[in-house]
Amino acid sequence: QQQVKQSPQSLIVQKGGISIINCAYENTAFDYFPWYQQFPGKGPALLIAIRPDVSEKKEGRFTISFNKSAKQFSLHIMDSQPGDSATYFCAARGAGGTSYGKLTFGQGTILTVHP
Amino acid sequence: DAGVTQSPTHLIKTRGQHVTLRCSPISGHKSVSWYQQVLGQGPQFIFQYYEKEERGRGNFPDRFSARQFPNYSSELNVNALLLGDSALYLCASSLQETQYFGPGTRLLVL
Repeated sequence: QQQVKQSPQSLIVQKGGISIINCAYENTAFDYFPWYQQFPGKGPALLIAIRPDVSEKKEGRFTISFNKSAKQFSLHIMDSQPGDSATYFCAARGAGGTSYGKLTFGQGTILTVHP
Repeated sequence: DAGVTQSPTHLIKTRGQHVTLRCSPISGHKSVSWYQQVLGQGPQFIFQYYEKEERGRGNFPDRFSARQFPNYSSELNVNALLLGDSALYLCASSLQETQYFGPGTRLLVL
């Protein structure tokens, strides 16, 4: 069974601090790893994504670090702002067979950034 | 360009009833996926369609069915509703690997 485990469940950060969310997956049948941000009552919005042949990708204040051998990837939010307060989900996309294209999500991290 | 649109936004049904949820993908996107998101959890994959054909099915009972139309819009049908079907139902469309989500339909089963 393909699983993605996400931690921590919740995170409180001061404004200007760094938020770090971690995910781990259990097999290698994934080919694309997106992060989504979700506000209450809204659908998930794509933040940033990475392929497994890249170790790091940065877009603005958001960085994904990817460790293929450890089957782990993480999201770093630099200079965290109160507007970043939301639930963050990591996900992994199935690479083939009956799981092709299917996104498997982590359990989510509720981020609160205090002013 | 409009994003993924879903209708209705909210729905209240009673146990045993049937529900149809609708999704219009981003223009040019040929793949549509459906996910169920229970409060406090990550979305769970239900179906994926590409060019009107089912490409994948998640671990959901046969009460759940879907279809994709020639214009790439899609419907998700749920029969014999149970209390546990109460959730946010999300539709996502994609052209390649990135899936873009709509705002969802909030279904409450009483």
